[in-house]
Amino acid sequence: AQSVTQLGSHVSVSEGALVLLRCNYSSSVPPYLFWYVQYPNQGLQLLLKYTSAATLVKGINDFEAEFKKSETSFHLTKPSAHMSDAAEYFCAVTPPGGGSQGNLIFGKGTKLSVKP
Amino acid sequence: DAMVIQNPRYQVTQFGKPVTLSCSQTLNHNVMYWYQQKSSQAPKLLFHYYDKDFNNEADTPDNFQSRRPNTSFCFLDIRSPGLGDAAMYLCATSREDRSTDTQYFGPGTRLTVL
Repeated sequence: AQSVTQLGSHVSVSEGALVLLRCNYSSSVPPYLFWYVQYPNQGLQLLLKYTSAATLVKGINDFEAEFKKSETSFHLTKPSAHMSDAAEYFCAVTPPGGGSQGNLIFGKGTKLSVKP
Repeated sequence: DAMVIQNPRYQVTQFGKPVTLSCSQTLNHNVMYWYQQKSSQAPKLLFHYYDKDFNNEADTPDNFQSRRPNTSFCFLDIRSPGLGDAAMYLCATSREDRSTDTQYFGPGTRLTVL
């Protein structure tokens, strides 16, 4: 069965510092991978997704993620944190080829705090 | 703007008193989803519709029902809410039901059970 692990339930960075949020998947076949962001008291919004095209995926708000098959990882990065990036970030996975969005599995989430 | 709308944003109900949460979308998407999200947890899929085809997750309690009368609207009915049903309920849509599709979420309804 597909699963996704997010290391670190809470990450704190200073404004202007690098943001790195970790996500590892477990699957014998590389899945499709997503990063969603959830601001307080709001729904989730897609940041970016990997669907087996380019391994380096660029998303909104200068976020990007790199799919690394050898490491079964899809870590999210941003070069310079902004106060408005404070939110909860969810990594999610679906099975490749013929699967359903109903099979979307979310990680437990990482709450990002940004210090001034 | 095309969007996913949920009403109400906050709902308070009493233990055992039926409650209905509403979701509408102007995206004209085929698929609609209902998720339950408890505090500091990941969203958990309750069910989803592809058009009028209903897909219930195996572990969704019988207490939860859903209706989709047309493309735009979807309702979540909780027949006898318990204290454990207090959560944020998220509605989402996607154009199709493929693994690669993007889900578009509404702002959620926070349910309190007294």
